[in-house]
Amino acid sequence: KAGVTQTPRYLIKTRGQQVTLSCSPISGHRSVSWYQQTPGQGLQFLFEYFSETQRNKGNFPGRFSGRQFSNSRSEMNVSTLELGDSALYLCASSLMGAEKLFFGSGTQLSVL
Amino acid sequence: GIQVEQSPPDLILQEGANSTLRCNFSDSVNNLQWFHQNPWGQLINLFYIPSGTKQNGRLSATTVATERYSLLYISSSQTTDSGVYFCAVGGGADGLTFGKGTHLIIQP
Repeated sequence: KAGVTQTPRYLIKTRGQQVTLSCSPISGHRSVSWYQQTPGQGLQFLFEYFSETQRNKGNFPGRFSGRQFSNSRSEMNVSTLELGDSALYLCASSLMGAEKLFFGSGTQLSVL
Repeated sequence: GIQVEQSPPDLILQEGANSTLRCNFSDSVNNLQWFHQNPWGQLINLFYIPSGTKQNGRLSATTVATERYSLLYISSSQTTDSGVYFCAVGGGADGLTFGKGTHLIIQP
């Protein structure tokens, strides 16, 4: 069974631009969640989707958004990029949300 | 929100040594997981262990939910065990709350 797939692996953007990251969960998993990892703040929860519905969102500004499609694939979008958005963005999937979580390899975003 | 504290923050050991990593959490939880992040950033799920004890090869974990702590044991360390070990609690729609991790270095 294929693992969680995130694309792209690396991204370089400039301030003010927007970016879209993609995540394909493990087949059969319906919950997809996103996390941001930075050296200063560690791993922080962004949001969680289940059956195309966002069930919760972490403490992040509205510039961070996401969606989930009917095949459980998910995308997250960051608009009006700031230097502080530079981070490793990790996607994780699980069957229903509260069980063992499986992470993708992440997308390393650099904002210049 | 719930607080997660991990200790020690850093640990340097020789190959073959044993180690114990600790995770304390501030409130009752029904979901606790241990992860290993390798040098390339990949987070590997080691255990889903809201209570009790589990073993997987050289690794084992114990969670005492009533006392709000969990322990991860690594025996006969290998250099490939190096990396950062995270404890995380919560999950589901509220997402996992991660500790700051234990940075483990295994020297040959």
